[in-house]
Amino acid sequence: SQKIEQNSEALNIQEGKTATLTCNYTNYSPAYLQWYRQDPGRGPVFLLLIRENEKEKRKERLKVTFDTTLKQSLFHITASQPADSATYLCALRISGGYNKLIFGAGTRLAVHP
Amino acid sequence: DVKVTQSSRYLVKRTGEKVFLECVQDMDHENMFWYRQDPGLGLRLIYFSYDVKMKEKGDIPEGYSVSREKKERFSLILESASTNQTSMYLCASSQPGEWNGYTFGSGTRLTVV
Repeated sequence: SQKIEQNSEALNIQEGKTATLTCNYTNYSPAYLQWYRQDPGRGPVFLLLIRENEKEKRKERLKVTFDTTLKQSLFHITASQPADSATYLCALRISGGYNKLIFGAGTRLAVHP
Repeated sequence: DVKVTQSSRYLVKRTGEKVFLECVQDMDHENMFWYRQDPGLGLRLIYFSYDVKMKEKGDIPEGYSVSREKKERFSLILESASTNQTSMYLCASSQPGEWNGYTFGSGTRLTVV
């Protein structure tokens, strides 16, 4: 069956360290993958998109990698800050068809001062 | 500031009631989506629309219907609310093709009693 897996356990890290979140998928052939941030009680906010033919994408302190052989994306936040604490969702856009995203359940990140 | 607006943040309805959730976007986006979000399950697609008066079923359409009479407005209808439809409902919009991610509303937390 098709699945997107993100760590269900919260990730706790110290301020200033690099946070690394993982998104694994099975039985999909995504055209691209996206990462979103969601704060409690709010809708997700788009952060980054990476295409199937890209290995890495950066935006300020954020870096995303995409390995279609491993079927995995890694999301890094460098020099993390308490304000980065949130839930981070990965989402796959499947090749073909309409612009429809399939979301993972998300991983909660807590950055401690 | 472009946005997606959901008419209610919190709703409490009784079992068997017909419930309307409204969503309006001001970005002239072609595509609109309704998701529900439940703990541990992530976002699940209920319905989406790629044009006015057009709709497609998502992964969990049972018990729901939608209406898109105008480009900017996409309504989700719970024909006869049940307690298992208690959830956070999220509306999103996007452009088709190359794009920069979904824009989500703030969500409607619906409780069916």
